[in-house]
Amino acid sequence: EVQLQQSGPELVKPGASVKISCKASGYSFTGYFMNWVKQSHGKSLEWIGRINPYNGDTFYNQKFKGKATLTVDKSSSTAHMELLSLTSEDSAVYYCGRGSYYGPYAMDYWGQGTSVTVSS
Amino acid sequence: DIQMTQSSSSFSVSLGDRVTITCKASEDIYNRLAWYQQKPGNAPRLLISGATSLETGVPSRFSGSGSGKDYTLSITSLQTEDVATYYCQQYWSTPPTFGGGTKLEIK
Repeated sequence: EVQLQQSGPELVKPGASVKISCKASGYSFTGYFMNWVKQSHGKSLEWIGRINPYNGDTFYNQKFKGKATLTVDKSSSTAHMELLSLTSEDSAVYYCGRGSYYGPYAMDYWGQGTSVTVSS
Repeated sequence: DIQMTQSSSSFSVSLGDRVTITCKASEDIYNRLAWYQQKPGNAPRLLISGATSLETGVPSRFSGSGSGKDYTLSITSLQTEDVATYYCQQYWSTPPTFGGGTKLEIK
């Protein structure tokens, strides 16, 4: 069974950074892109970027360049996203989503989401 | 970036109704269109990709259609468990973009 298990909620101060994780199981981790998506409270979904776990190649939404850094640890089948220089605008739920057979950006499995709250 | 517009942000429906949700892209997306269902507190769930291909395990009362810029998600005979917000997403070009969502509520 494919599962994506994300790390727990984070409360961080403005200006700080936070790193959230997404542990994959039930499939070949290096065989599928991993995407990250932001959902601000009560709002729609924004694609942040994706990483190819096979070789670490990344592609970012221009809006999130400099804000998000995607990495993977193949030894533990875990994808990470670090969010930098946090402001209140970064308070949101962040999801990882596996790219599907139909296309790397159509996401067939999702993590449960990680809530990030930026507050002093 | 390609803009995805879902004309209705919400509407009220009755159980057993046929529901149609529309999504319009700002340019041709060549059927690279996915539909997701999201219930409160949960992650989105992929229902349909390639505009018409139903994901495994999705009830057959869901269907997708469309081409070019215009796409539709249909639900025949709405069930209680279908009450959710539905998002379309294009993945023809980067960055992939989502519609604003359509929330179904029971009358």
